[in-house]
Amino acid sequence: DIQMTQSPSSLSASVGDRVTITCRASQGIRNDLDWYQQKPGKAPKRLVYEASSLQSGVPSRFSGSGSGTEFTLTISSLQPEDFATYYCLQHNTYPRTFGPGTRVDIK
Amino acid sequence: EVQLVQSGAEVKKPGESLKISCKGSGYSFTTYWIGWVRQMPGKGLEWMGIIYPGDSDTRYSPSFQGQVTMSVDKSISTAYLQWSSLKASDSAMYYCARGATIDYWGQGTLVTVSS
Repeated sequence: DIQMTQSPSSLSASVGDRVTITCRASQGIRNDLDWYQQKPGKAPKRLVYEASSLQSGVPSRFSGSGSGTEFTLTISSLQPEDFATYYCLQHNTYPRTFGPGTRVDIK
Repeated sequence: EVQLVQSGAEVKKPGESLKISCKGSGYSFTTYWIGWVRQMPGKGLEWMGIIYPGDSDTRYSPSFQGQVTMSVDKSISTAYLQWSSLKASDSAMYYCARGATIDYWGQGTLVTVSS
């Protein structure tokens, strides 16, 4: 199985901050990686697909980059509604695997 | 509008069986994989497996192989996840989700297993 790691596991940030979350795969997965946002008590929501394509309706302050084994999700200016947990998911091989998540809290 | 609507919360005893459902609408149900994802209380997302409604081709995560069974009824655009003998450790939120790459999610079904 492909193992996914995320860093940091949690972070505290202020509104307006630039936030970067990293996801690493245990082997190369091309650009077969998506990013999801999950708020408490809600289903996850896809933000980015194929590593860098923004899901329709997602604000442009979110962006994704990377390929191979290292990927990043960047929020250019953190907004109050962005406080949530973020997960990456590789869909290069079966079984699919999620990263452990990064919790973004208010500083 | 694509929608995945899951069945309601369940409370079961250890050893009981359970089948939860996920009804798709707003798209061609037979042409998109349906996956299942577990989220234990306070924990992250775990990919359980995926089924293709067109021909019932199924891929399970090794962690869940033999523990659950995925199935579909194409005639009513519904996917199922079932257990033959529940354990307390099966208590979790279960999400269905569309696609080999997940684009839409159901609202989740909370399963509580307690004696």
